[in-house]
Amino acid sequence: DVVMTQTPPSLSVAIGQSVSISCKSSQSLVYSDGKTYLHWLLQSPGRSPKRLIYQVSNLGSGVPDRFSGTGSQKDFTLKISRVEAEDLGVYYCAQTTHFPLTFGSGTKLEIK
Amino acid sequence: EVQLVESGEGLVQPGSSMKLSCVASGFTFSNYGMNWIRQAPKKGLEWIALIYYDSSSKYYADSVKGRFTISRDNSKNTLYLEMNSLRSEDTAMYYCAKGFDYWGQGVMVTVSS
Repeated sequence: DVVMTQTPPSLSVAIGQSVSISCKSSQSLVYSDGKTYLHWLLQSPGRSPKRLIYQVSNLGSGVPDRFSGTGSQKDFTLKISRVEAEDLGVYYCAQTTHFPLTFGSGTKLEIK
Repeated sequence: EVQLVESGEGLVQPGSSMKLSCVASGFTFSNYGMNWIRQAPKKGLEWIALIYYDSSSKYYADSVKGRFTISRDNSKNTLYLEMNSLRSEDTAMYYCAKGFDYWGQGVMVTVSS
């Protein structure tokens, strides 16, 4: 199985600051079609997960451009510029290149 | 607007069976693969099953293989998860998801004697 290692496990940031979350996979996430199926999700408190970014760097529908994703092969980063109060929650990376599909363990973002 | 509404929530005893449903709207259900994903209390996300748009392929996590069955009825825009031989470790919130881009609100399954 592909292991997704997310760091840090938690973050505490002030409104307006920028943060980065790392996600490293135990195998390359490049599929045979050349695309990389690495996604970022946010689970706000008491809510279902919401997809923020798909295929490394593509913003989901309605997602503010304060969110950005970068990376390749096995090393990926989610950056949130100018954090807002509504950004609090648990961020997960997920891969859909290999079965079984797997998630990172999550990064909890708290607002100072 | 895409909507996914799960049902079938409940408390069951170990060893019993249960079936979850997920009714989809706001998109052409028959064009998309669908997933079931679960989240044990205070834990992270665990993918458990995927079914192709036309039911031609189904994939399962090892933790549920042989006990759970994913299926769909495209005429009813409905996704199902049949769960047999339930264990206490299956206690979780169960989400259906269109790919990973839209998720339902989830239903709680509790397996306890």
